Amino acid sequence: GESVGLHLPTLSVQEGDNSIINCAYSNSASDYFIWYKQESGKGPQFIIDIRSNMDKRQGQRVTVLLNKTVKHLSLQIAATQPGDSAVYFCAEKKDNYGQNFVFGPGTRLSVLP
Amino acid sequence: ETGVTQSPTHLIKTRGQQVTLRCSSQSGHNTVSWYQQALGQGPQFIFQYYREEENGRGNFPPRFSGLQFPNYSSELNVNALELDDSALYLCASSLRALRETQYFGPGTRLLVL
Repeated sequence: GESVGLHLPTLSVQEGDNSIINCAYSNSASDYFIWYKQESGKGPQFIIDIRSNMDKRQGQRVTVLLNKTVKHLSLQIAATQPGDSAVYFCAEKKDNYGQNFVFGPGTRLSVLP
Repeated sequence: ETGVTQSPTHLIKTRGQQVTLRCSSQSGHNTVSWYQQALGQGPQFIFQYYREEENGRGNFPPRFSGLQFPNYSSELNVNALELDDSALYLCASSLRALRETQYFGPGTRLLVL
């Protein structure tokens, strides 16, 4: 069935380096995507979103890139900090009925000192 | 903090029992979605409520039911609890039903023994 998945389940980066977290989606009709950060014991925290009519969107230290040709989404975190350590999920808006977001399994980001 | 609150934070039940989880949406948000997150997995969509009516449902049996009240707060009810119902239950609110960013609460951790 349709799904959202991640290429790398874990990612370790040095503090200060840039991080890139990838996500593949299979529903070409999806038109809205969100990246969430989830720290241990907490609910997912909104980071950044992008609609299908855009290729790139920037926030504070984060950039999301959308490649609709290959159905790929990425989250770039600049100057990664220890507080960035968490599990990151991409979520795909599945259809126009309700808010049926489909989440991937997540990537754990570990920031090394 | 998103302004979405959930209660209780933790709950222990036994198989066959019933449970009610509560969620208060962020001020001004009229849509509430519920998700189940098993350990080590991404959130799975249960259902959404918009203006007190169910507005979409995921692949969950009828023993998962919900309510939304005039103040937009919501309840998730699960009957005949099973061991596999042990999970983090997340509530997310949004301003409107379609294509809107969802903001999550901290979740309720349910353990079924």
